[in-house]
Amino acid sequence: SAVISQKPSRDICQRGTSLTIQCQVDSQVTMMFWYRQQPGQSLTLIATANQGSEATYESGFVIDKFPISRPNLTFSTLTVSNMSPEDSSIYLCSVEGEPGDSTYGYTFGSGTRLTVV
Amino acid sequence: SQKIEQNSEALNIQEGKTATLTCNYTNYSPAYLQWYRQDPGRGPVFLLLIRENEKEKRKERLKVTFDTTLKQSLFHITASQPADSATYLCALGSGGYQKVTFGIGTKLQVIP
Repeated sequence: SAVISQKPSRDICQRGTSLTIQCQVDSQVTMMFWYRQQPGQSLTLIATANQGSEATYESGFVIDKFPISRPNLTFSTLTVSNMSPEDSSIYLCSVEGEPGDSTYGYTFGSGTRLTVV
Repeated sequence: SQKIEQNSEALNIQEGKTATLTCNYTNYSPAYLQWYRQDPGRGPVFLLLIRENEKEKRKERLKVTFDTTLKQSLFHITASQPADSATYLCALGSGGYQKVTFGIGTKLQVIP
């Protein structure tokens, strides 16, 4: 299965600023997924990023707040914009373990722990 | 709305015993159910998938059952070891390309 490098692993940011999280995959993948994991809550899908098209956002998430780039089949970024303390969370990127085959589950990056002060 | 319930309280068991974790769901007809392990500061790691037409799936010391009538999956770790201590997440999917929905996870602590 794919290996994902995600960075930064953690950051402390001032409110009102933006942070860009990067994910690099060691193989070409069609879809990349961005999740948020807030303390004491389940993983929540923010958006799905396909190369060459606009990301598809889940209910409650908007492009202005979480712009995503997908310049090629191995790389994606998620920006958390105009941050507030409520954005403090772990952010994770993910790809299918085997494209089109749920048998192999999903592979996740190691996550970015964001604290907004 | 769809709901997945995992026991949010930590499960403490003695080394060598079998750990059993529960995943219940409502308002959902999943095509499959996945289990993941998550260690602190790390992303989830996929362990097993069981499909709606399967009753049981095994992988080494892991066993998963899936009862679509009870809307429940049980995740067993036999001969548990301290290294099995982690948070275990269940996730439900509807098949094809559909997003999976994750439970909150259950923290397992295996005591030496």
